[in-house]
Parts: sequence; structure tokens; C-alpha cells
Amino acid sequence: KQEVTQIPAALSVPEGENLVLNCSFTDSAIYNLQWFRQDPGKGLTSLLLIQSSQREQTSGRLNASLDKSSGRSTLYIAASQPGDSATYLCAVRPQGGGATNKLIFGTGTLLAVQP
Amino acid sequence: DVKVTQSSRYLVKRTGEKVFLECVQDMDHENMFWYRQDPGLGLRLIYFSYDVKMKEKGDIPEGYSVSREKKERFSLILESASTNQTSMYLCASPPAGLAGQETQYFGPGTRLLVL
Repeated sequence: KQEVTQIPAALSVPEGENLVLNCSFTDSAIYNLQWFRQDPGKGLTSLLLIQSSQREQTSGRLNASLDKSSGRSTLYIAASQPGDSATYLCAVRPQGGGATNKLIFGTGTLLAVQP
Repeated sequence: DVKVTQSSRYLVKRTGEKVFLECVQDMDHENMFWYRQDPGLGLRLIYFSYDVKMKEKGDIPEGYSVSREKKERFSLILESASTNQTSMYLCASPPAGLAGQETQYFGPGTRLLVL
């Protein structure tokens, strides 16, 4: 059974620091991995999607990498800002789920960027 | 602009009440999902639907049912609400497409408190 783990559960950094969030998954048979952002009391916003054949994706100050063979992904945030404060979740789409696009989520990392 | 809406942001209900949570998407997607999110447990899939009148159980369907009479609307029903159903409920709708290239769009969430 696929399990997704995120470490650390919470992280506090001063503004301007570069930081890395980690995600690991137990079964490498995935179609893709996504990183989401969730603000307090809100829904999820997709940040980056990495297909299983890709190694990384970039969007602005965000860079996500995927090492499928080792079951790991990282989300790198450059020059962090207080507006980056949120919970970051990773999710994998396991193979074999058909066309239904089911995702397995990690429990998230709560990031606080201190001004 | 893609959009998933949920009928209520906050709900307070009493034990034993029948509760309806509504989700509407305007993207003409076949797939729609209901998750619940609890601290330390992440997002867990309750039910999903891949077409009108079609539904499948997710990982935690007990105590819930769903209805999909129209393509754009997916309802989650708590037949007899209990205090352990106090949670954040999130609706999601991904496009059906090529494996690995799609993302999921989430609604803003409904925070349900059962007293």
C-alpha cells in the first residue's frame, strides 16, 4: 500500500532563507507527483506537477525534484518570503488506478517564514 | 478560469442530523472527489465519482453516501452526523486525461462541526 511521508512536520525560517521540504513515498509505481499549497482554512492550490518521466519542474522561486527510484521528492523554495507561509502537501498518483486520478497525500509541512 | 465551489464554508450541526455538502464544478469534468482532512492524518478519500450516477468508495466511506445526478454537482451526505465526523471536507475535480499530465482542482473546503 502506497504511503507518503513528509518531513519535517513544521518548519520556521527567517525571511530570505532558501529552504527544502521533503516528501517520500513507498511505491515507485506512480504516474506523477504533485506539490500543493494550503493556506489556513482554505482549499489546496496546485504548485507543481512532475510526471514520472521527469526529474524536476520549476515555477518562479519554486523547484521540485523527483527521484522515483528512491521514492523521494523535494520542494526547494528560494529566497523565502512571509507570504510563503502555508502548509505544503505532496501527493502521488499511483499507477493502476485507472482514469479516476486518485491521489495519495502526505500529511504536510507547515511552513512559517518570519519577517 | 477553473472553478470548484462548495456550498458552505462553515457548518454547525447536531448529532444525528442529516447533512448535505454540495460541490459544483464548471469545468465539465467527469471525475469528482470528496476528501476529509484531519490534523496528523492528512487528506483521506471518502468517495469519488467518474461519471453521472457512478460512484466508488474511497478509503473511509463508512458513515457517508454520495449523489451525482448531474455532471457538475457531487453531493456528500452524512446520513446521521456524529461527532467524529467533525472535520474539514474538501471537494476536488481533476480533468480526465492522459496519465501523468493532469492536476486536481480543489474547492475552498467546508469546515463541519458536529455537536
